[in-house]
Amino acid sequence: GDSVTQMEGPVTLSEEAFLTINCTYTATGYPSLFWYVQYPGEGLQLLLKATKADDKGSNKGFEATYRKETTSFHLEKGSVQVSDSAVYFCALSPEQAGTALIFGKGTTLSVSS
Amino acid sequence: EAGVTQFPSHSVIEKGQTVTLRCDPISGHDNLYWYRRVMGKEIKFLLHFVKESKQDESGMPNNRFLAERTGGTYSTLKVQPAELEDSGVYFCASSQVGTYGYTFGSGTRLTVV
Repeated sequence: GDSVTQMEGPVTLSEEAFLTINCTYTATGYPSLFWYVQYPGEGLQLLLKATKADDKGSNKGFEATYRKETTSFHLEKGSVQVSDSAVYFCALSPEQAGTALIFGKGTTLSVSS
Repeated sequence: EAGVTQFPSHSVIEKGQTVTLRCDPISGHDNLYWYRRVMGKEIKFLLHFVKESKQDESGMPNNRFLAERTGGTYSTLKVQPAELEDSGVYFCASSQVGTYGYTFGSGTRLTVV
C-alpha cells in the first residue's frame, strides 16, 4: 500500500541555519503531497502542498518540490527561526481528491537562538 | 469561518472506562476524517465519513471504537472499554468533497491509565 517515510528526528539547529527534512513516498498513480506542521499546543496546519510532478509548494520561507523520478518531497528552508520549532509531517493523498491522507512519523525540529 | 473544533482537548480516564470524543467540522464540509497519533509514531487514519455515511472505516483498530455522524454534522468517536494502548492524540479533519483542502482540529489528547 501507499506509504510515507520521513527522516527520523529530532533535528536541532541554531537560528539562521539551513533546514532539510527528507520525505520519500510509495504510491501508485499520481498522489498529491503535503507538509503539515504542528506547533506546540496547537493542531495540524497545512504548510504547503504540491499536486503534480515538478510542482513546488512554498509558504513562510519553506519550500518542497514534488520529484516523481525520486519519489521525494523534501522540505527546505534557508534560514530557520526559533518560531519554526514544531513537529513536521509529510503526507500524501492518493490520486483521488478526498481520500484520507497517509502520514509519515513526523520530525521534531528544535531551533535555538 | 470557524475551524474544526474538537473536545475535550484532554481526557484522562482509567482502563475499562468509556470516553467519547467530539468533532465539529467546518460548516459545509461533507468529508470528515478521524486520525490517531500514538506517541512517536505516524498519524494513522481511522475512518472517513461522507455526510452521515461511513465511506471508509478500514483504519478502526477494533470493535471497541464506535464512530457516528448523525445528520451529517458533528461526529463522535466512542472508545468502550478503553485500554492502555488507546492513549494518543485523536485528530479530526474535514474537507469539501472533491478537494484537497483538509482542515484539522487541534486534537484530543487521550491518556488511559
